[in-house]
Amino acid sequence: GAVVSQHPSRVICKSGTSVKIECRSLDFQATTMFWYRQFPKQSLMLMATSNEGSKATYEQGVEKDKFLINHASLTLSTLTVTSAHPEDSSFYICSAREGGEAEAFFGQGTRLTVV
Amino acid sequence: AQSVTQLDSQVPVFEEAPVELRCNYSSSVSVYLFWYVQYPNQGLQLLLKYLSGSTLVKGINGFEAEFNKSQTSFHLRKPSVHISDTAEYFCAVSDRDGATNKLIFGTGTLLAVQP
Repeated sequence: GAVVSQHPSRVICKSGTSVKIECRSLDFQATTMFWYRQFPKQSLMLMATSNEGSKATYEQGVEKDKFLINHASLTLSTLTVTSAHPEDSSFYICSAREGGEAEAFFGQGTRLTVV
Repeated sequence: AQSVTQLDSQVPVFEEAPVELRCNYSSSVSVYLFWYVQYPNQGLQLLLKYLSGSTLVKGINGFEAEFNKSQTSFHLRKPSVHISDTAEYFCAVSDRDGATNKLIFGTGTLLAVQP
């Protein structure tokens, strides 16, 4: 199947700093990318949907200025957590889909810890 | 809005016993259905998917699921589980005709296989 690479797998940052997470599709063109957040022992909550070259569409309750999403190319999307605080600590997962395909492929996830 | 219900948060089962993990979705519109497995601190791995055609879908690791449109269900089954099947299982649905085909997840079921 198609491969989605997410980097870094783990990151620890100080409160008030910004962190960038990358999501790359390695062998297909990711027309649409999705960013999820997962709290311990909970489900994946969709944060935003991005289409290449367009602004991301955020789900209700997700702060656009806090979680900056860029999808500048067909193989790369980035999520930047700005001015991170301990409550932003979580597991972030991206997924990518090509064109009108039904299936989306998932990255390995990023464990963010803000201290 | 589409929603997914996984009634069982945890299912304990003995090794080599059969298991069924339940999943119901809310909308009656045409949908795509998926089951994913997640091991600790990892991303999601696709077990199986229903896009169209036969309602009985076979996936990896001996799992299968049956799409029941009248009951809006997509229960996951395995005739004989192994210790290595211990993981979190997520059911997910996306609208077939949606603009972005967002993938909505259930709350997950922890399958705990005991020796």
